[in-house]
Amino acid sequence: NAGVTQTPKFRVLKTGQSMTLLCAQDMNHEYMYWYRQDPGMGLRLIHYSVGEGTTAKGEVPDGYNVSRLKKQNFLLGLESAAPSQTSVYFCASSPLTGTYYGYTFGSGTRLTVV
Amino acid sequence: GENVEQHPSTLSVQEGDSAVIKCTYSDSASNYFPWYKQELGKRPQLIIDIRSNVGEKKDQRIAVTLNKTAKHFSLHITETQPEDSAVYFCAASMGNTDKLIFGTGTRLQVFP
Repeated sequence: NAGVTQTPKFRVLKTGQSMTLLCAQDMNHEYMYWYRQDPGMGLRLIHYSVGEGTTAKGEVPDGYNVSRLKKQNFLLGLESAAPSQTSVYFCASSPLTGTYYGYTFGSGTRLTVV
Repeated sequence: GENVEQHPSTLSVQEGDSAVIKCTYSDSASNYFPWYKQELGKRPQLIIDIRSNVGEKKDQRIAVTLNKTAKHFSLHITETQPEDSAVYFCAASMGNTDKLIFGTGTRLQVFP
């Protein structure tokens, strides 16, 4: 039981390049989330999913796209990376609404855009 | 929009002293309030949470209090130890959903 696994752990991109971050969970959680963490700004929600085949925008969705083709995987894409997207990205998952067991976070991806 | 404010941003205490971190939230429909601890270079981990139908919850040296009328909730750590040093985040649910809004974090340093 690995919990929530994120790949890659580190990445350096050039401005304009694209990449996909993968999040995988083995807890059969319905909800999955992508957050970015910046110094002094806490964790901000980028996109989230309430189940397989569904996605929705969070607080800071611009410049990102997501997909959830399988219940266990949630992908975050950057089509044309910008320096402002330099951040640490965390994926998280949680069970069904109303259970409120809190999030299980992945170990994070440190992304630098130069 | 929905917002969670967290204070202080940094907190230094002597080992054995108590530490208190306070948060306020704006969404009156929020009903779930977790606290996360994040050690340097690691993922946030849930340490305690409270639901809106409860005013206080305690787990060993950690306690959380909630005042729904004032939209305040606080984390209390007693008998602090150096291993309590970390960044602590409060969060509030966005209304009656599982989505969370996080505070900006408090860096706690416990000096031996």
